Amino acid sequence: DIQLTQSPSFLSASIGDRVTITCRASQGISSYLAWYQQKPGKAPKLLIYAASTLQSGVPSRFSGSGSGTEFTLTISSLQPEDFATYYCLQLNYYPLTFGGGTKVEIK
Amino acid sequence: QLQLQESGPGLVKPSETLSLTCVVSGGSISTSSYLWGWIRQPAGKGLECIGYIYYSGSTYKNPSLKSRVTISVDTSKNQFSLKLSSVTAADTAVYYCAARINVVGGWFDPWGQGTLVTVSS
Repeated sequence: DIQLTQSPSFLSASIGDRVTITCRASQGISSYLAWYQQKPGKAPKLLIYAASTLQSGVPSRFSGSGSGTEFTLTISSLQPEDFATYYCLQLNYYPLTFGGGTKVEIK
Repeated sequence: QLQLQESGPGLVKPSETLSLTCVVSGGSISTSSYLWGWIRQPAGKGLECIGYIYYSGSTYKNPSLKSRVTISVDTSKNQFSLKLSSVTAADTAVYYCAARINVVGGWFDPWGQGTLVTVSS
């Protein structure tokens, strides 16, 4: 199975901060990676697909980059509604696998 | 706008079979545009893809669960279902249904709201 390692697993940040989350794959997955945001008690929400394509309706402060084994999700200016847990998902190999998550909390 | 909604018992006894249904609204399940999937999340933990089905009935199941999982589709009711047999406490989780875009590297979107299933006697 492809292992996705997210780092950090937890981060504390302030409103307005630039935040970067990394997702590393145990082998190359081309650009077949998606990013999701999950708030407590809610289903994951799609932010980014194909590594860098912003889902319709998602604020432009979110961006994704990378290919192969290393990917990043960046929030350019953290807003109050962005405090949540973020997951990456690889879609290149079966079984599909998720990263362990990054919890973003208020500093 | 495509919407998905899970339903099923919230409590299942150990060794019995968990059964969930996902109703699709706002579009036809008999479309080549999507695959129909199940994903679960134990409390406080990460996400696991269980498997998915095409409207024709062809399925993919995670090898870690394959022997216990049945995924089926009912196009007349615009819904698909999950059965997980011989459950244990380790199967306690929130179960989500989701639509997977049917392209190479297709992602899951949208998702249902999720339903908590507890395995306990």
